[in-house]
Amino acid sequence: GENVEQHPSTLSVQEGDSAVIKCTYSDSASNYFPWYKQELGKRPQLIIDIRSNVGEKKDQRIAVTLNKTAKHFSLHITETQPEDSAVYFCAAPVNYGGSQGNLIFGKGTKLSVKP
Amino acid sequence: NAGVTQTPKFQVLKTGQSMTLQCAQDMNHEYMSWYRQDPGMGLRLIHYSVGAGITDQGEVPNGYNVSRSTTEDFPLRLLSAAPSQTSVYFCASSYGNRGRRELFFGEGSRLTVL
Repeated sequence: GENVEQHPSTLSVQEGDSAVIKCTYSDSASNYFPWYKQELGKRPQLIIDIRSNVGEKKDQRIAVTLNKTAKHFSLHITETQPEDSAVYFCAAPVNYGGSQGNLIFGKGTKLSVKP
Repeated sequence: NAGVTQTPKFQVLKTGQSMTLQCAQDMNHEYMSWYRQDPGMGLRLIHYSVGAGITDQGEVPNGYNVSRSTTEDFPLRLLSAAPSQTSVYFCASSYGNRGRRELFFGEGSRLTVL
């Protein structure tokens, strides 16, 4: 079944620097890769996603890149701000039982942006 | 529009007690699921449902039961609580579980089993 590995587990950057979080997946048939942000004490929320027919997607200061050959995808945050401090999770589809499309999550990256 | 509502937000149980975590959504979503979140472990899928009357197991189903009698509700039952079930539980829903499917999470329920 699908396995998602996420690195690093913690990341500390200065305000204004860039941050990159990487995930690898094992199932070459996976076709959808979302990223969720979870602020302290809050619920996870989708911030960006990418489908396997696209190599890169941008939304203001965040972008996601996908390398299907290497089976890895990355989240890029530019010009980081203190409000970017949170835990970020990558995810990929996994099959359980007879149903496709459930999401398996990486273990998360705690990003700290220092003013 | 309340989205996904979970109750209770906090609960303390003794080992062996049973309880139900409630989850309701008002977005007419077909797909609902329960995840547990433990430090350093990310979000792990417990059970899911692709529609009323249909449920199935996820990654860590042991010790939990679910049912889906209506589109709106998806309760999670702990039959005999164990300390290993101390966790934060999130209910989530989406329009479906294929293609681009944003998961909408509830606020979470923090459960402590003594």
